[in-house]
Amino acid sequence: NAGVTQTPKFQVLKTGQSMTLQCAQDMNHNSMYWYRQDPGMGLRLIYYSASEGTTDKGEVPNGYNVSRLNKREFSLRLESAAPSQTSVYFCASRAGGGQETQYFGPGTRLLVL
Amino acid sequence: RKEVEQDPGPFNVPEGATVAFNCTYSNSASQSFFWYRQDCRKEPKLLMSVYSSGNEDGRFTAQLNRASQYISLLIRDSKLSDSATYLCVVSHSGGYNKLIFGAGTRLAVHP
Repeated sequence: NAGVTQTPKFQVLKTGQSMTLQCAQDMNHNSMYWYRQDPGMGLRLIYYSASEGTTDKGEVPNGYNVSRLNKREFSLRLESAAPSQTSVYFCASRAGGGQETQYFGPGTRLLVL
Repeated sequence: RKEVEQDPGPFNVPEGATVAFNCTYSNSASQSFFWYRQDCRKEPKLLMSVYSSGNEDGRFTAQLNRASQYISLLIRDSKLSDSATYLCVVSHSGGYNKLIFGAGTRLAVHP
């Protein structure tokens, strides 16, 4: 099992460009999450999907959109990138039910110039 | 005020030392508690859950004080491989399991 995979690993964008961060999990998990991690801030939840077909805003959703394409895949889109979106982005998944552990992907490092 | 507060460190300790990290949380509705470990430039991974009665996993002991809204992690006999950032994490009720992360405490174990 690969667990949670993310692409790309690194990306440099110019202000105003758009891009989609991809995330996939092969653990048959129900819930998936997108976080960003900034120095001194801890991980902050951007969006989550409790189950296939549903998505909800987290703590910092502005400037992002998400799509739960199917049970395996959960993508994060930046429509018009801003320097404030420079961060490390982590995708995570959770089995659901009584299972609370979230499993994280390796992250995408994004630099917006 | 951050919902989960941790001393950022770094804690620089020699091999074999005992080190303790503390964490406080502000939301009394928090129901579940965890310590995650994050190596440099890597993803967070669950280290251990924290139970009300306290729990131990080898050299690691976690304690929870709900009245004081305080969580601790004790590492005994530190190893070089323990060098990492330790994230204190709480979750609220709800089926979607939203986790609230502290900013982390950095530990550096030296020979």
